[in-house]
Amino acid sequence: DTAVSQTPKYLVTQMGNDKSIKCEQNLGHDTMYWYKQDSKKFLKIMFSYNNKELIINETVPNRFSPKSPDKAHLNLHINSLELGDSAVYFCASSQGVARHEQFFGPGTRLTVL
Amino acid sequence: GENVEQHPSTLSVQEGDSAVIKCTYSDSASNYFPWYKQELGKGPQLIIDIRSNVGEKKDQRIAVTLNKTAKHFSLHITETQPEDSAVYFCAASINRDDKIIFGKGTRLHILP
Repeated sequence: DTAVSQTPKYLVTQMGNDKSIKCEQNLGHDTMYWYKQDSKKFLKIMFSYNNKELIINETVPNRFSPKSPDKAHLNLHINSLELGDSAVYFCASSQGVARHEQFFGPGTRLTVL
Repeated sequence: GENVEQHPSTLSVQEGDSAVIKCTYSDSASNYFPWYKQELGKGPQLIIDIRSNVGEKKDQRIAVTLNKTAKHFSLHITETQPEDSAVYFCAASINRDDKIIFGKGTRLHILP
């Protein structure tokens, strides 16, 4: 019954490694997002996809590469992980663009050592 | 671009009392103002939203007011309960942008 799911929930890795976070929504929404929440709880949008097309890219380092194989999935791949990448990453989805309710996943806590 | 300021960053309220969280926005073109609640270990969840053609909206113990002239909006929670303890985020969105900008959050503690 989970509306927006993310895997893994926790990710601990070494600096320099490459990792991926997966997101799936079963709500039939056409827009999906990735947000980063830092240790101070500040929530910042990273990417947004509408019908598999990238519509928002918020000056995120190109080490971050989102991929949307279909409308129900939006994955996030991170190359050459840095200490500053440690955060909670949230996937979200909405029907239509941002001015509609966004449904958030449970988050993936990434720790870079 | 749009900037959303939120105050206070932390708020402690006695159970049963009211809580008020205030936000201001910078872009007068903003026309959608949602509020999200984030419980510990979970993702944010929409609790109420208001669009710029409305000055006030209420849903049981929660109400939001919008002052377009002053560019500020507020969340009011009455008869607070322990389960209201969470982090609350205000946000604003502009028609020409496909994103919402979040405030920095308010951590609300309901004291027994």
